[in-house]
Amino acid sequence: EVQLVESGGGLVQPGGSLRLSCAASGFTFSSFWMTWVRQAPGKGLEWVANMKQDGSEYNYVDSVKGRFTISRDNAKNSLYLQMNSLRAEDTAVYYCVRENFFDYWGQGTLVTVSS
Amino acid sequence: QAVVTQEPSLTVSPGGTVTLTCGSSTGAVTSGHYPYWFQQKPGQAPRTLIYDTSNKHSWTPARFSGSLLGGKAALTLSGAQPEDEAEYYCFLSYSGPWVFGGGTKLTVL
Repeated sequence: EVQLVESGGGLVQPGGSLRLSCAASGFTFSSFWMTWVRQAPGKGLEWVANMKQDGSEYNYVDSVKGRFTISRDNAKNSLYLQMNSLRAEDTAVYYCVRENFFDYWGQGTLVTVSS
Repeated sequence: QAVVTQEPSLTVSPGGTVTLTCGSSTGAVTSGHYPYWFQQKPGQAPRTLIYDTSNKHSWTPARFSGSLLGGKAALTLSGAQPEDEAEYYCFLSYSGPWVFGGGTKLTVL
């Protein structure tokens, strides 16, 4: 059974940092692009970043460029999102998604940026 | 980055048919945008209904279909059921980054 389990969310002050993790199981993690999607409370979905199977290609939404870094460790079947210089507008549930027609989503981890 | 537009809300009668559309600020939506449609119900993660314009996942009810219509991507629901009341999001590829539409809140009433 495919599972994606996000962790690392929490409350952080503006300007702070957090590192999100996504533990994948039930499939060959190294064979798939992976994506982070976020959803602010009561708002719509926003694509954040994605990364190719071997980490050699990646993309970001303009609003996080220079502040967020996506990475992966195929040996650990894990996807990461390092978030620096956090702003109030980064407050959201962050979902890890398998980019195989975006077929599997985690349940999300909540990041709250507030003083 | 591009802006993807959807109707903010639509209402359909039970058993009725409704079409949701998805436009792009960069011009016509084509198959090269690999249009997706996601359904999200309150408190749940989204799930994919349609990918690459018109393809369905194994879990996609047959009453949902995807197409290109007048320069936009379209999701048609034929024979609406009460359980189809949800938020629907369009999602387009821009040769690297992806962009979601703002979502359409579909009411079955």
